[in-house]
Amino acid sequence: AQSVTQLDSQVPVFEEAPVELRCNYSSSVSVYLFWYVQYPNQGLQLLLKYLSGSTLVESINGFEAEFNKSQTSFHLRKPSVHISDTAEYFCAVIIRGSGGSNYKLTFGKGTLLTVNP
Amino acid sequence: GAVVSQHPSRVICKSGTSVKIECRSLDFQATTMFWYRQFPKQSLMLMATSNEGSKATYEQGVEKDKFLINHASLTLSTLTVTSAHPEDSSFYICSAPSRPSLYNEQFFGPGTRLTVL
Repeated sequence: AQSVTQLDSQVPVFEEAPVELRCNYSSSVSVYLFWYVQYPNQGLQLLLKYLSGSTLVESINGFEAEFNKSQTSFHLRKPSVHISDTAEYFCAVIIRGSGGSNYKLTFGKGTLLTVNP
Repeated sequence: GAVVSQHPSRVICKSGTSVKIECRSLDFQATTMFWYRQFPKQSLMLMATSNEGSKATYEQGVEKDKFLINHASLTLSTLTVTSAHPEDSSFYICSAPSRPSLYNEQFFGPGTRLTVL
Protein backbone atom coordinates (compact mmCIF):
# COMPACT_ATOMS: atom_id res chain seq x y z
CA ALA A 1 0.00 0.00 0.00
CA GLN A 2 1.15 3.51 -0.71
CA SER A 3 1.90 6.01 2.00
CA VAL A 4 2.79 9.67 2.09
CA THR A 5 5.20 11.24 4.55
CA GLN A 6 5.37 14.93 5.21
CA LEU A 7 8.42 15.29 7.39
CA ASP A 8 7.58 18.67 8.91
CA SER A 9 4.35 19.23 10.78
CA GLN A 10 5.04 22.96 11.13
CA VAL A 11 7.21 25.35 9.15
CA PRO A 12 7.46 28.94 10.39
CA VAL A 13 9.14 31.43 8.07
CA PHE A 14 9.41 35.16 7.64
CA GLU A 15 7.75 37.01 4.82
CA GLU A 16 9.73 37.05 1.56
CA ALA A 17 11.87 34.12 2.67
CA PRO A 18 12.08 30.95 0.55
CA VAL A 19 10.35 27.81 1.76
CA GLU A 20 10.40 24.11 1.01
CA LEU A 21 7.76 21.70 2.27
CA ARG A 22 8.92 18.13 2.01
CA CYS A 23 6.92 15.17 0.79
CA ASN A 24 8.01 11.61 0.24
CA TYR A 25 5.86 8.74 -0.89
CA SER A 26 6.21 5.00 -0.94
CA SER A 27 4.85 3.10 -3.89
CA SER A 28 6.26 0.42 -6.13
CA VAL A 29 4.16 1.58 -9.07
CA SER A 30 3.63 4.84 -10.87
CA VAL A 31 1.64 7.52 -9.09
CA TYR A 32 -0.12 10.79 -9.62
CA LEU A 33 1.09 13.40 -7.13
CA PHE A 34 -0.73 16.39 -5.69
CA TRP A 35 -0.36 19.29 -3.33
CA TYR A 36 -3.51 20.67 -1.74
CA VAL A 37 -3.79 23.80 0.37
CA GLN A 38 -6.27 24.39 3.17
CA TYR A 39 -6.67 27.97 4.32
CA PRO A 40 -8.13 28.55 7.79
CA ASN A 41 -11.78 27.52 7.98
CA GLN A 42 -11.90 26.56 4.33
CA GLY A 43 -11.91 23.35 2.31
CA LEU A 44 -9.01 21.86 0.39
CA GLN A 45 -7.96 23.47 -2.86
CA LEU A 46 -5.73 21.88 -5.45
CA LEU A 47 -2.45 23.77 -5.63
CA LEU A 48 -0.65 21.74 -8.28
CA LYS A 49 -0.33 18.23 -9.60
CA TYR A 50 2.01 15.92 -11.46
CA LEU A 51 0.38 13.46 -13.81
CA SER A 52 3.03 12.92 -16.48
CA GLY A 53 5.50 14.80 -18.65
CA SER A 54 7.69 17.51 -17.19
CA THR A 55 8.74 16.68 -13.67
CA LEU A 56 8.57 20.33 -12.62
CA VAL A 57 5.06 21.66 -12.13
CA GLU A 58 4.00 25.15 -11.14
CA SER A 59 0.98 26.83 -9.60
CA ILE A 60 -0.44 30.20 -10.51
CA ASN A 61 0.64 31.75 -7.21
CA GLY A 62 4.36 31.02 -7.44
CA PHE A 63 4.65 27.57 -5.89
CA GLU A 64 6.41 24.76 -7.71
CA ALA A 65 7.07 21.11 -7.05
CA GLU A 66 9.41 18.64 -8.66
CA PHE A 67 8.74 14.96 -9.06
CA ASN A 68 11.87 12.99 -8.26
CA LYS A 69 11.28 9.35 -9.04
CA SER A 70 14.61 8.08 -7.74
CA GLN A 71 14.08 9.76 -4.39
CA THR A 72 10.30 9.20 -4.40
CA SER A 73 9.81 12.83 -3.48
CA PHE A 74 7.55 15.70 -4.50
CA HIS A 75 8.77 18.65 -2.47
CA LEU A 76 6.92 21.96 -2.67
CA ARG A 77 8.89 25.19 -2.97
CA LYS A 78 8.35 28.89 -3.21
CA PRO A 79 11.21 31.39 -3.56
CA SER A 80 9.48 34.18 -1.65
CA VAL A 81 6.44 33.66 0.56
CA HIS A 82 3.70 36.10 1.53
CA ILE A 83 1.69 36.29 4.72
CA SER A 84 -1.31 35.15 2.70
CA ASP A 85 0.44 31.82 2.07
CA THR A 86 -0.17 30.88 5.69
CA ALA A 87 -2.15 27.64 5.49
CA GLU A 88 -2.01 23.89 5.89
CA TYR A 89 -0.45 22.08 2.94
CA PHE A 90 -1.21 18.45 2.15
CA CYS A 91 0.70 16.17 -0.17
CA ALA A 92 -1.31 13.32 -1.71
CA VAL A 93 -0.91 10.46 -4.17
CA ILE A 94 -3.09 8.31 -6.40
CA ILE A 95 -1.78 5.06 -7.79
CA ARG A 96 -1.89 5.13 -11.57
CA GLY A 97 -3.43 2.40 -13.61
CA SER A 98 -6.40 0.12 -13.34
CA GLY A 99 -7.81 -1.50 -10.29
CA GLY A 100 -10.14 -0.63 -7.52
CA SER A 101 -7.80 1.85 -5.88
CA ASN A 102 -7.02 3.94 -8.92
CA TYR A 103 -9.13 6.75 -7.53
CA LYS A 104 -8.04 6.71 -3.93
CA LEU A 105 -6.23 9.79 -2.68
CA THR A 106 -3.80 9.01 0.11
CA PHE A 107 -2.86 12.11 2.08
CA GLY A 108 0.10 13.03 4.19
CA LYS A 109 -0.50 14.47 7.65
CA GLY A 110 -0.06 18.01 6.45
CA THR A 111 2.41 20.81 7.06
CA LEU A 112 1.30 24.04 8.65
CA LEU A 113 3.12 26.90 6.96
CA THR A 114 3.09 30.06 9.05
CA VAL A 115 4.45 33.19 7.42
CA ASN A 116 5.37 35.90 9.89
CA PRO A 117 5.90 39.60 9.12
CA GLY B 1 -13.54 25.46 -11.42
CA ALA B 2 -16.14 23.04 -10.18
CA VAL B 3 -17.81 23.79 -6.86
CA VAL B 4 -18.74 21.34 -4.14
CA SER B 5 -20.78 22.52 -1.17
CA GLN B 6 -21.50 20.96 2.20
CA HIS B 7 -24.26 21.60 4.66
CA PRO B 8 -24.16 22.29 7.52
CA SER B 9 -20.72 23.77 8.04
CA ARG B 10 -20.93 23.12 11.76
CA VAL B 11 -23.20 20.96 13.87
CA ILE B 12 -23.36 20.24 17.57
CA CYS B 13 -25.48 17.37 18.76
CA LYS B 14 -26.14 15.30 21.83
CA SER B 15 -24.76 11.83 22.22
CA GLY B 16 -27.11 9.22 20.81
CA THR B 17 -28.67 11.40 18.15
CA SER B 18 -28.19 11.13 14.39
CA VAL B 19 -26.75 13.82 12.19
CA LYS B 20 -27.08 14.18 8.41
CA ILE B 21 -24.44 15.96 6.33
CA GLU B 22 -25.10 16.91 2.72
CA CYS B 23 -22.60 17.16 -0.09
CA ARG B 24 -23.64 18.80 -3.35
CA SER B 25 -21.95 19.33 -6.68
CA LEU B 26 -23.21 22.74 -7.73
CA ASP B 27 -22.29 23.03 -11.38
CA PHE B 28 -21.55 19.51 -12.48
CA GLN B 29 -22.88 16.01 -12.11
CA ALA B 30 -21.04 13.57 -9.91
CA THR B 31 -21.76 9.88 -10.20
CA THR B 32 -19.12 9.32 -7.56
CA MET B 33 -18.38 11.26 -4.41
CA PHE B 34 -15.94 10.56 -1.61
CA TRP B 35 -16.28 11.06 2.11
CA TYR B 36 -13.25 11.79 4.28
CA ARG B 37 -12.70 12.29 7.95
CA GLN B 38 -10.04 14.59 9.35
CA PHE B 39 -8.94 14.58 12.98
CA PRO B 40 -7.03 17.55 14.41
CA LYS B 41 -3.41 17.58 13.30
CA GLN B 42 -4.06 14.51 11.16
CA SER B 43 -4.44 13.83 7.48
CA LEU B 44 -7.68 13.14 5.67
CA MET B 45 -8.74 9.53 5.81
CA LEU B 46 -11.04 8.15 3.14
CA MET B 47 -14.14 6.69 4.75
CA ALA B 48 -16.21 5.61 1.79
CA THR B 49 -16.98 6.03 -1.87
CA SER B 50 -20.51 7.09 -2.66
CA ASN B 51 -21.95 5.81 -5.93
CA GLU B 52 -25.10 7.26 -7.47
CA GLY B 53 -27.83 4.66 -7.65
CA SER B 54 -25.91 1.92 -5.87
CA LYS B 55 -24.42 1.03 -2.52
CA ALA B 56 -21.49 2.89 -1.12
CA THR B 57 -18.09 1.25 -0.84
CA TYR B 58 -16.61 1.54 2.63
CA GLU B 59 -12.97 1.49 3.58
CA GLN B 60 -11.66 -1.11 5.95
CA GLY B 61 -12.53 -0.33 9.53
CA VAL B 62 -15.42 2.03 8.75
CA GLU B 63 -18.74 0.86 10.15
CA LYS B 64 -21.41 0.77 7.45
CA ASP B 65 -24.26 0.88 9.94
CA LYS B 66 -22.70 3.80 11.76
CA PHE B 67 -22.03 5.97 8.75
CA LEU B 68 -24.92 5.69 6.34
CA ILE B 69 -24.33 7.03 2.85
CA ASN B 70 -27.00 7.78 0.30
CA HIS B 71 -26.31 9.06 -3.21
CA ALA B 72 -29.81 9.59 -4.50
CA SER B 73 -29.07 11.98 -7.34
CA LEU B 74 -26.19 13.04 -9.57
CA THR B 75 -25.61 16.14 -7.48
CA LEU B 76 -26.25 15.04 -3.91
CA SER B 77 -24.69 12.59 -1.49
CA THR B 78 -25.55 12.44 2.20
CA LEU B 79 -23.63 11.04 5.15
CA THR B 80 -25.65 10.22 8.24
CA VAL B 81 -23.79 9.61 11.47
CA THR B 82 -26.14 7.40 13.44
CA SER B 83 -26.25 7.30 17.23
CA ALA B 84 -23.37 9.73 17.40
CA HIS B 85 -20.90 9.58 20.27
CA PRO B 86 -18.17 11.99 21.33
CA GLU B 87 -15.53 9.93 19.52
CA ASP B 88 -17.36 10.67 16.26
CA SER B 89 -16.54 14.36 16.67
CA SER B 90 -14.43 15.27 13.68
CA PHE B 91 -14.20 17.25 10.48
CA TYR B 92 -16.02 15.52 7.63
CA ILE B 93 -15.13 16.44 4.08
CA CYS B 94 -16.56 15.31 0.77
CA SER B 95 -15.06 15.46 -2.69
CA ALA B 96 -16.12 14.72 -6.24
CA PRO B 97 -14.25 14.26 -9.51
CA SER B 98 -15.09 16.97 -12.01
CA ARG B 99 -15.84 14.41 -14.68
CA PRO B 100 -16.79 10.73 -14.47
CA SER B 101 -13.75 8.56 -13.89
CA LEU B 102 -11.41 11.56 -13.86
CA TYR B 103 -10.41 10.82 -10.34
CA ASN B 104 -7.17 12.69 -10.51
CA GLU B 105 -9.14 15.93 -10.60
CA GLN B 106 -11.22 16.01 -7.45
CA PHE B 107 -12.90 19.04 -5.94
CA PHE B 108 -13.43 19.27 -2.23
CA GLY B 109 -16.24 20.65 -0.17
CA PRO B 110 -15.49 23.11 2.66
CA GLY B 111 -16.10 20.48 5.31
CA THR B 112 -18.52 19.97 8.20
CA ARG B 113 -17.33 20.13 11.77
CA LEU B 114 -19.28 17.74 13.95
CA THR B 115 -19.16 18.06 17.72
CA VAL B 116 -20.93 15.43 19.77
CA LEU B 117 -21.53 16.36 23.39
